[in-house]
Amino acid sequence: EVQLVESGGGLVKTGGSLRLSCVASGFSFSNAWMTWVRQPPGKGLEWVGRIKSKIDGGTTDYAAPVKGRFTISRDDSRNMMFLQMNSLKTEDTALYYCTTELNRRFDHWGQGSLVTVSS
Amino acid sequence: SYVLTQPPSVSVAPGKTARITCGGNKIGSKSVHWYQQKPGQAPLLVIFYDADRPSGIPARFSGSKSGYTATLTISRVEAGDEADYYCQVWDSISDVVFGGGTKLTVL
Repeated sequence: EVQLVESGGGLVKTGGSLRLSCVASGFSFSNAWMTWVRQPPGKGLEWVGRIKSKIDGGTTDYAAPVKGRFTISRDDSRNMMFLQMNSLKTEDTALYYCTTELNRRFDHWGQGSLVTVSS
Repeated sequence: SYVLTQPPSVSVAPGKTARITCGGNKIGSKSVHWYQQKPGQAPLLVIFYDADRPSGIPARFSGSKSGYTATLTISRVEAGDEADYYCQVWDSISDVVFGGGTKLTVL
């Protein structure tokens, strides 16, 4: 059974930093593309970014609102993905989901980690 | 940037058919995926590649596409189908794009 568990969320001031983690199990993590999707309270889904598998280059892509502030990384030895968030803004407040990405769709989702940015 | 347009809400009586639309420029050339999100839960993929169902998704859920619109159809709607539904595509410029979501209310 595929499991994705996010952690690291919390309350942070504007301009601050936070690092989210996602631990995966039940599938071949090293071969998977992994993605972060966020959902502001009461609003819709927003793609944040992805990291490809090392065999596919291990490169990252980001949505425009977070590019230059957020960094996605992975540790295949621990089946983990990370989201380093810097220069946080109030509009970054959201539930952050870790997902698997296969052929540009998202088959498996974690339960999310809540990030609240206050001024 | 690429935009997907969904109606904010759709209402349907139990046992009837619900149709949720997703409009976008040249959507006919893109693969459309649909997610169901019940309150307090993570999204769940219910349709991929326009019309395919993941294992475990009831056959009551189907997808189609015509012209500039993709449609998620839920037949014989049940109370448990009440949820938010999102369409999603990949665009060569915008990368991953989600529609704004449609709240399905079962009357």
